[in-house]
Amino acid sequence: GNSVTQMEGPVTLSEEAFLTINCTYTATGYPSLFWYVQYPGEGLQLLLKATKADDKGSNKGFEATYRKETTSFHLEKGSVQVSDSAVYFCALLRGEKLVFGQGTRLTINP
Amino acid sequence: EAEVAQSPRYKITEKSQAVAFWCDPISGHATLYWYRQILGQGPELLVQFQDESVVDDSQLPKDRFSAERLKGVDSTLKIQPAELGDSAMYLCASSLRQGNTEAFFGQGTRLTVV
Repeated sequence: GNSVTQMEGPVTLSEEAFLTINCTYTATGYPSLFWYVQYPGEGLQLLLKATKADDKGSNKGFEATYRKETTSFHLEKGSVQVSDSAVYFCALLRGEKLVFGQGTRLTINP
Repeated sequence: EAEVAQSPRYKITEKSQAVAFWCDPISGHATLYWYRQILGQGPELLVQFQDESVVDDSQLPKDRFSAERLKGVDSTLKIQPAELGDSAMYLCASSLRQGNTEAFFGQGTRLTVV
C-alpha cells in the first residue's frame, strides 16, 4: 500500500542552521507529494507541494524536490528561524487518498 | 480568508458517553475529510465524503463511530460510546474535489476521554 516514512524527531537546531528533514515514500504509480506544517495549537497548513518527478516545491525559504529514483521528498531550508519551530508532515496523494508520515517536531533555539 | 471551521476546540468526556464534533468546510468544497491524529503520530483518515456521499470509511470504527454530511455542506462526527483510546485530535479538512492537490485543514477538536 501507499505509505510515507519521515526521519524521527525531535530535531533541535540553532537559529540560522541548515535544515534537512528526510522523507521517503512507497506508492503505486506517481503520487503527488506534500509537506504540511502544524504550529502549536493550530491545524495543518500546506507548506509546499510537487506533482511530478523532478518538480521542486518551495515556500517561505523551504524547498523539496520530488526524486522518483530514490522515492524521496526531503525538506530543506538554508537558514532556519525560531518561528520555524513546528511539527512537519510529509504526505502523498494517490487517487483520492492523502497519506501522512508520522511527523517530525522541529525546535529552533535562538 | 476562507477557512474550515470546527467546534468545539476542546472536549473532555467520560468513557461510555457520547460525543460529537462539527465541521463546516470552505464554501464550494465538495470533498470533506475527517482525520484522527493521535499524539506524536500523523493524521489517519477516518472518513471521506464527496458531497453527501461517503467514498471511503474503511478506517472508521463503525461499531462506535458515525459520520454524516446530510446536505453536502457541514458534517458531524459522532462517537458513542467513547473509550479511553479515542483521546486524540480530530481534524476536518476540505478540498474542491477528489484528488485535488490541496486540502485545507481546520484547527481541530482535541478530545480527552477520562
